[in-house]
Amino acid sequence: AQSVTQPDIHITVSEGASLELRCNYSYGATPYLFWYVQSPGQGLQLLLKYFSGDTLVQGIKGFEAEFKRSQSSFNLRKPSVHWSDAAEYFCAFDSGGGADGLTFGKGTHLIIQP
Amino acid sequence: SQTIHQWPATLVQPVGSPLSLECTVEGTSNPNLYWYRQAAGRGLQLLFYSVGIGQISSEVPQNLSASRPQDRQFILSSKKLLLSDSGFYLCAWSPSGLAGLNSYNEQFFGPGTRLTVL
Repeated sequence: AQSVTQPDIHITVSEGASLELRCNYSYGATPYLFWYVQSPGQGLQLLLKYFSGDTLVQGIKGFEAEFKRSQSSFNLRKPSVHWSDAAEYFCAFDSGGGADGLTFGKGTHLIIQP
Repeated sequence: SQTIHQWPATLVQPVGSPLSLECTVEGTSNPNLYWYRQAAGRGLQLLFYSVGIGQISSEVPQNLSASRPQDRQFILSSKKLLLSDSGFYLCAWSPSGLAGLNSYNEQFFGPGTRLTVL
């Protein structure tokens, strides 16, 4: 069965430090991959997406993610976090070709400490 | 540009009461529409999706139903709410499959409705 795993429920990072949020997927082919961010009480905003081509994708707010087929991973990174990055981050994927919904991970809660 | 609206933003309802949550999309035609529920610590669960007026697919059996009376309107309903229906309900849309051969479900989310059932 297809699934997405975000191993870290909570991550605490100091402001200005680098960040990496992990995402692993289980699927027999190359999926379409997404990272979304959710601020408290808000909807989800798309940070970036991967469909094909260059495995390093750039997103909004200074985020990037790298697709690694051999590791079935799509980790999100940012070189220097800001206090405003504190939020819930969701990795999601779609097998493509249909209108059914995305499969989401359970999310990683990012805490920024001063 | 496209926008998606949900209302109400928050709702407190007693057990056994009915429910109606509304979602509308502007600036696009024939979108795919989705209802998700987000419970604490459980990520997002897809409840329903729709590819057109009157076409509803249910992902999980539960106490809820969905309808799409107009192209850009998606409604989530219940006849009798349960305590377990509490959660954050998110509506989303994506371009229809006619967007291209390599259609993908890049989804755009509304602001959500916080439902508390007491």
